[in-house]
Amino acid sequence: DTGVSQDPRHKITKRGQNVTFRCDPISEHNRLYWYRQTLGQGPEFLTYFQNEAQLEKSRLLSDRFSAERPKGSFSTLEIQRTEQGDSAMYLCASSPGGQGLSGANVLTFGAGSRLTVL
Amino acid sequence: AQKVTQAQTEISVVEKEDVTLDCVYETRDTTYYLFWYKQPPSGELVFLIRRNSFDEQNEISGRYSWNFQKSTSSFNFTITASQVVDSAVYFCALIDGSSNTGKLIFGQGTTLQVKP
Repeated sequence: DTGVSQDPRHKITKRGQNVTFRCDPISEHNRLYWYRQTLGQGPEFLTYFQNEAQLEKSRLLSDRFSAERPKGSFSTLEIQRTEQGDSAMYLCASSPGGQGLSGANVLTFGAGSRLTVL
Repeated sequence: AQKVTQAQTEISVVEKEDVTLDCVYETRDTTYYLFWYKQPPSGELVFLIRRNSFDEQNEISGRYSWNFQKSTSSFNFTITASQVVDSAVYFCALIDGSSNTGKLIFGQGTTLQVKP
């Protein structure tokens, strides 16, 4: 168990370019989350997967953002036509399964992917 | 609506001082979970504690202790005899009782600086 891995750790891009981040969760975890964290703020929820199904999306996730989790393993978060306001740390987390609050498992976070849009 | 408020943006103490980080939460649900996470300069959020809404017992783990009071909707975190390695951003978080996703709702965080 190597924890949650995220790649790349840092990405600098020009406005208008597309970027993709990858998250490899802990292998036996079927829940996967993406969060965004800007400087001086707490992480904000973006989206949630249970296995391969994307079950919840935040209003923060505009139509330029898309997330996938094929086969319920790794996940990707793509941002199209990046804007300067997209500059942030993108955090991925995973947790074991469970239904409702009886499955309120601890989320294990990756180290994040920091995006800078010039 | 669910909300977590950490009113202290930054705290600076000298090593060996005790320090308390405040957390106030809002939720309409009677069942919920509260968490504290630590984010050192490396950036990775590290889990510290989880507490469910039915367990108001205070908890102590080494130099760390937590005081959960439902009457004031608070879940405060105290570090006793602080050390330089405690310097980090600390987040209080809530799991929404009406959600089946287990998503965490975070406060804004408190930056703790412990000076030697």
